[in-house]
Amino acid sequence: ETGVTQSPTHLIKTRGQQVTLRCSSQSGHNTVSWYQQALGQGPQFIFQYYREEENGRGNFPPRFSGLQFPNYSSELNVNALELDDSALYLCASSLWGQSTDTQYFGPGTRLTVL
Amino acid sequence: RKEVEQDPGPFNVPEGATVAFNCTYSNSASQSFFWYRQDCRKEPKLLMSVYSSGNEDGRFTAQLNRASQYISLLIRDSKLSDSATYLCVVPRWNQAGTALIFGKGTTLSVSS
Repeated sequence: ETGVTQSPTHLIKTRGQQVTLRCSSQSGHNTVSWYQQALGQGPQFIFQYYREEENGRGNFPPRFSGLQFPNYSSELNVNALELDDSALYLCASSLWGQSTDTQYFGPGTRLTVL
Repeated sequence: RKEVEQDPGPFNVPEGATVAFNCTYSNSASQSFFWYRQDCRKEPKLLMSVYSSGNEDGRFTAQLNRASQYISLLIRDSKLSDSATYLCVVPRWNQAGTALIFGKGTTLSVSS
């Protein structure tokens, strides 16, 4: 196991609602990245957090936002949910500045928007 | 051209077969590459890293051709437990950090 944990495991919301997903990084890792994986697709990069700041963002609208806390855990917030937001949301932890770029994934949160 | 493109699959092979997956990438500056394995409804798990011309780990061999911007994954003596989706991954760096760019994935089904 990677030591990366996510909560909740599953979530069902309706269009227009807001959701908060949580991630705890692997011990010793200070960077958290979030990815969205729609059915039948590869994961897509949402954004990355280091030192409690957003560092890099993929092609996602501002209603996708995040936070990182001093203990390196992170939250992903999605406002005004749309049906297309239904997906597996993955967080990955890593160590900033390592040469290998390896990221370790948590089990994901499966979000269904009705 | 997409940043990372993979064979569409699915690949259906018998146990003991050798199977190869291909992946092309668009960023010629990329220095490292990964293959991740993803089981149904689970998270991706790192299978292999490739930093030079290739890497071998038991039945798995990854090869890199920088001139053609092409990565391959070869699985020899396929096992039932190899059934999964294999994701080709290329990191994208910027001043702010590193994003992993995933291909769509290739599904492998190994049957007895």
